[in-house]
Amino acid sequence: QQQVKQSPQSLIVQKGGISIINCAYENTAFDYFPWYQQFPGKGPALLIAIRPDVSEKKEGRFTISFNKSAKQFSLHIMDSQPGDSATYFCAPTSTQTSGSRLTFGEGTQLTVNP
Amino acid sequence: NAGVTQTPKFRILKIGQSMTLQCTQDMNHNYMYWYRQDPGMGLKLIYYSVGAGITDKGEVPNGYNVSRSTTEDFPLRLELAAPSQTSVYFCASSYYHGGEQYFGPGTRLTVT
Repeated sequence: QQQVKQSPQSLIVQKGGISIINCAYENTAFDYFPWYQQFPGKGPALLIAIRPDVSEKKEGRFTISFNKSAKQFSLHIMDSQPGDSATYFCAPTSTQTSGSRLTFGEGTQLTVNP
Repeated sequence: NAGVTQTPKFRILKIGQSMTLQCTQDMNHNYMYWYRQDPGMGLKLIYYSVGAGITDKGEVPNGYNVSRSTTEDFPLRLELAAPSQTSVYFCASSYYHGGEQYFGPGTRLTVT
């Protein structure tokens, strides 16, 4: 059973454009919805995260939109830059259940052309 | 703070050999994790620990073992290496379960 489904697998955007990556989940116990950014040869790093009590969170050019009823959340990158070229992972989690499995999406490889 | 450190950075093993991947964190996090990442794929949880002396299996534990004798260290042991274990291994830690995870730089392992 695939608990987390991320789309698209790859995305090519022109500089200045908007990048949108989606994450759908099944487990209604999830209460923490992060996006991680990974550059080639590096470990992932937290980019932005949201809790289910808000529908949107913005940090600079990065915004998370959360739709609890649809069980999905998305990452929007405004004014995309070549330096944003990386792989992005969603990793929704239940922080209340210590034994719950931590599941990452399959990743979206973003390329921003100059 | 160094954060999460991993050694070695690269390693080539022959089939049947064993090795230990080292992971240390200096953030006093109770939770630590080991993941593997195959090319073009997401991260799969191998083992995790909720504190010194307590470990549990993740999604893909077969062929691996872990121990957690201190808060800082969480080594991953590969016994009888197989080509299917060729991957990049990441160690991570977090203050609470499922919270922000801090990742190490990874160990690239090739088994031939």
